[in-house]
Amino acid sequence: SQKIEQNSEALNIQEGKTATLTCNYTNYSPAYLQWYRQDPGRGPVFLLLIRENEKEKRKERLKVTFDTTLKQSLFHITASQPADSATYLCALDSNYQLIWGAGTKLIIKP
Amino acid sequence: DVKVTQSSRYLVKRTGEKVFLECVQDMDHENMFWYRQDPGLGLRLIYFSYDVKMKEKGDIPEGYSVSREKKERFSLILESASTNQTSMYLCASNPTAISYEQYFGPGTRLTVT
Repeated sequence: SQKIEQNSEALNIQEGKTATLTCNYTNYSPAYLQWYRQDPGRGPVFLLLIRENEKEKRKERLKVTFDTTLKQSLFHITASQPADSATYLCALDSNYQLIWGAGTKLIIKP
Repeated sequence: DVKVTQSSRYLVKRTGEKVFLECVQDMDHENMFWYRQDPGLGLRLIYFSYDVKMKEKGDIPEGYSVSREKKERFSLILESASTNQTSMYLCASNPTAISYEQYFGPGTRLTVT
């Protein structure tokens, strides 16, 4: 069956450290993968899109990798701050739709 | 900035009522979407529209219908609300390919009692 999985448990990280979130998928062959941030009671906000032929993409303190062999994307936040606390969602394209992971809650402790 | 607005942040309805959720975007986007989001599950697509008066079923269309009479407005209709439709409903839009970057509204938390 097709699945997209993110860590369901919250990730607690000390301020200033690098946070790494994982998105694994099975039985999909996405051309690209996206990461979104969602704050409580709000809609998701787009962060980054990475294509299958790109190994890595960066935006300020954010870095995303995409390994189509492992069927995995990693999302890194360097020099994390309490304001980075949120739920992070990954989404991949399949049959012209976006398929969403359930998200990982990230908590950055001061 | 793209702005997607939804008619209500919170809504409480009774079982069997007809419910209208409205979404408006101000960036002339071609595509609009309705999702529902439940704890522990990813966003699930209910319906999307790629043009005025055009609609396509998503993964969970049962119990819902949609209307898009104007480009900027996309309505979700629950014909006869049921308790299992209690959820967060999110509207989104995007200008290009259906599965590219999407812009979301703030969501409507619907409770059906």
